[in-house]
Amino acid sequence: KQEVTQIPAALSVPEGENLVLNCSFTDSAIYNLQWFRQDPGKGLTSLLLIQSSQREQTSGRLNASLDKSSGRSTLYIAASQPGDSATYLCASMDSNYQLIWGAGTKLIIKP
Amino acid sequence: KAGVTQTPRYLIKTRGQQVTLSCSPISGHRSVSWYQQTPGQGLQFLFEYFSETQRNKGNFPGRFSGRQFSNSRSEMNVSTLELGDSALYLCASSLVRGPGTEAFFGQGTRLTVV
Repeated sequence: KQEVTQIPAALSVPEGENLVLNCSFTDSAIYNLQWFRQDPGKGLTSLLLIQSSQREQTSGRLNASLDKSSGRSTLYIAASQPGDSATYLCASMDSNYQLIWGAGTKLIIKP
Repeated sequence: KAGVTQTPRYLIKTRGQQVTLSCSPISGHRSVSWYQQTPGQGLQFLFEYFSETQRNKGNFPGRFSGRQFSNSRSEMNVSTLELGDSALYLCASSLVRGPGTEAFFGQGTRLTVV
């Protein structure tokens, strides 16, 4: 049974720093790996989707990588801003097209 | 273009009652998935509908059910509500099923059972 883990559970950094969020999964037979952000009391916003055959995806200041052999994905945020403060969730898609979720990393960017 | 719309946004129900939540996907999207989010369990998959057929179901009791209509709108129903059903219920729509399709989420329905 797939398990997705995100460490750390919370992270606080000063504005302007580059940072990395981690996501690990136990079963490498994933169909894709997705990163989302969630603002308090809100729904989820899709950030990046990496298909199983891809190694990374980029969107603006965000870069996500995928290493299936080690069961890891990372989300790199460059030049962090207070508006990046949110909870970041990763999810892997299994063969039933079902998303298995991590518990999230709560990110606080201090001005 | 309009996003995923979930109604109502907030709901308070009493134990034992039943509730129906609605989700209107992005126009043209045919796949709708439902998730339950709680502080203790995080995000958990409930079910997925595509072309009016349930394609996948998560590990929830039979009190949780859903359906999808010909216009792709979806409803989920929870009968005999329990306190533990209090959660944020999220709906996601996708153009089609599959690993290459992005999921777009609604704002959610916050259900409180008292």
